[in-house]
Amino acid sequence: AQTVTQSQPEMSVQEAETVTLSCTYDTSESDYYLFWYKQPPSRQMILVIRQEAYKQQNATENRFSVNFQKAAKSFSLKISDSQLGDAAMYFCAYRSRETSGSRLTFGEGTQLTVNP
Amino acid sequence: DAMVIQNPRYQVTQFGKPVTLSCSQTLNHNVMYWYQQKSSQAPKLLFHYYDKDFNNEADTPDNFQSRRPNTSFCFLDIRSPGLGDAAMYLCATSRLPGQATYEQYFGPGTRLTVT
Repeated sequence: AQTVTQSQPEMSVQEAETVTLSCTYDTSESDYYLFWYKQPPSRQMILVIRQEAYKQQNATENRFSVNFQKAAKSFSLKISDSQLGDAAMYFCAYRSRETSGSRLTFGEGTQLTVNP
Repeated sequence: DAMVIQNPRYQVTQFGKPVTLSCSQTLNHNVMYWYQQKSSQAPKLLFHYYDKDFNNEADTPDNFQSRRPNTSFCFLDIRSPGLGDAAMYLCATSRLPGQATYEQYFGPGTRLTVT
């Protein structure tokens, strides 16, 4: 079974600065997807960024980028130029690419605070 | 806009009184999921449907049931809610595995209070 670990329960960053959230995972599969989801205080879960394991290039979405290290099974999220609206709980998640692997395995989450 | 809709957003029920939560989607996704999320925790998958094929998680209590009458709608039935069932219930959808972009799309959730 796959596991996802987020070792930082809480993080804080000053507005306009950069912060990196850590995520490690354990799997015996070679092909899978990794995701970062954001859940603001309003509680709707929103996809931030997605990475396919077969792609070596790190995914980027505007101010959000990942550092995907497949051998190390690490998948960190970097938020540049942090904004007050980035304050949320961030979940790292794993999904198998196999036809039976529909479920997401979530990490415990990292609560991000953005200080003005 | 295509989306996942959950009704109601807030539900209060009495201990032991059956309650039904609903989810609808306009994304035409084949897979629908129900999660339970308690405060400051990750969502916990209860069950999911591949089309009409129901898949229950091994540790989902028998108290929780689900129905999917068509592609667009899915219901979560809690037959006899206990105080421990108070939580946020999230519905999500996705395409089938093997299809491109099969990330999960979440609804806003229904917050269930049990009195």
